[in-house]
Amino acid sequence: DAGVTQSPTHLIKTRGQHVTLRCSPISGHKSVSWYQQVLGQGPQFIFQYYEKEERGRGNFPDRFSARQFPNYSSELNVNALLLGDSALYLCASSLGGAGGVQETQYFGPGTRLLVL
Amino acid sequence: SQQGEEDPQALSIQEGENATMNCSYKTSINNLQWYRQNSGRGLVHLILIRSNEREKHSGRLRVTLDTSKKSSSLLITASRAADTASYFCATDGYNQGGKLIFGQGTELSVKP
Repeated sequence: DAGVTQSPTHLIKTRGQHVTLRCSPISGHKSVSWYQQVLGQGPQFIFQYYEKEERGRGNFPDRFSARQFPNYSSELNVNALLLGDSALYLCASSLGGAGGVQETQYFGPGTRLLVL
Repeated sequence: SQQGEEDPQALSIQEGENATMNCSYKTSINNLQWYRQNSGRGLVHLILIRSNEREKHSGRLRVTLDTSKKSSSLLITASRAADTASYFCATDGYNQGGKLIFGQGTELSVKP
C-alpha cells in the first residue's frame, strides 16, 4: 500500500512569492495534518483537516492556509514568502475518527522549501 | 512552542550497546508517540503509548510512560548502525484533538 505522498520534494522560491504544497493521505485516511520543521527543531503543527473541515490551527500567520479536497488530499498554501519560511513541510495522515484522539499519524517524506 | 524536552540532545554509542532517550512534557496527554527521522526526511512512527499504559514493547524498542512525572523514555536495545537518526517524542494533549506537539529531538549516532 502506498504511504503518504507529498509533492514537490524540493522547491526554491524568492521572498514575496507564494507556494502550494500537496499531500495525498494513505488510502482510507480522512484526516490530514501539516507541520513545519525548521533545521534543528522538532516539527510544529500548522493545520489539521478532517472531512474537508479545519479541525485545528497552530500559531502561524494568516499567510498560511490549507484546504482538503473530497478525495481527502490536501494543499498547503503560503503567501508572501519570507526567508524564515524555509523549512521542511511535513504532511501526516490518520484515520480521523474519535476526534483525532489516540491515533497514529503517518508522515510523508516532506517538501523542502528554500526561500531566497 | 515545544511541549516536550528530549534528553540528551545528542547521544553517541557503539553498535551492540543500548540507547536510552528521555522525554518530558508539560500538560496532560491522551497519548505519547515516538518517531524516528533520518537525515531530515519524513518521520517514521515507532510506537504509541496511551496515557493509561506504563510500558510498551515493539521489537528492540521499549517505551515507558510516567504520567505523574510527565515523562517517557525510549530504550533501543542492541543498537545497530542503521539506528543512527534523530528521535522525537510527540504528545497528543488532552482536548487537543490529535494535534501533536513535538520535542526538539535526540540525535543518536551508533558507531560500527
